[in-house]
Amino acid sequence: NAGVMQNPRHLVRRRGQEARLRCSPMKGHSHVYWYRQLPEEGLKFMVYLQKENIIDESGMPKERFSAEFPKEGPSILRIQQVVRGDSAAYFCASSLRAGSGLAGRETQYFGPGTRLLVL
Amino acid sequence: QQQVKQSPQSLIVQKGGIPIINCAYENTAFDYFPWYQQFPGKGPALLIAIRPDVSEKKEGRFTISFNKSAKQFSLHIMDSQPGDSATYFCAASMPNFNKFYFGSGTKLNVKP
Repeated sequence: NAGVMQNPRHLVRRRGQEARLRCSPMKGHSHVYWYRQLPEEGLKFMVYLQKENIIDESGMPKERFSAEFPKEGPSILRIQQVVRGDSAAYFCASSLRAGSGLAGRETQYFGPGTRLLVL
Repeated sequence: QQQVKQSPQSLIVQKGGIPIINCAYENTAFDYFPWYQQFPGKGPALLIAIRPDVSEKKEGRFTISFNKSAKQFSLHIMDSQPGDSATYFCAASMPNFNKFYFGSGTKLNVKP
């Protein structure tokens, strides 16, 4: 049973280029979360998606960043016109369902991350 | 604003020691507190989690202590081993959560 898969594992872009990060959730999982981790820091929530819907994008920068989770295929985090400050590790997590607030939480399983370096 | 504050930033213990990592929070709406373990080049993996209606939870060598009145919780690793060397993150979430708020991480080094 494959875990959460992310590709590429490493991505190098020059300033102004576009970065596309892909995430395939665990089999059967329909909830996807993206987090960003700056060096020596914790993970910061970016966006939560279900199939074809963005549920919570409160952590996403207002410009240049977008995310999607189509009916078929992986979730995509897209960064347009990258800048040096975008250099970070981007982690995707998936869960079987969201938390109910009553029966406990659905574990979020994390992928290995994509390390983006902007030159 | 850091929702969850974690300390220390790094920790070195000898094999067999009991490293303790502490976290504090302000938002009383948080009601789920997981700990994640991350090895270099890997994604975080859930280690253990607690809800505020209990003061302690043990799973193997890992124990969470929770102090609701102080809004603090901590991770204890009993009989630590070199293989426990990793970065540990505490986190918190609210009811009907859709995201975790992570601490800044503690880099643990267990010396043989």
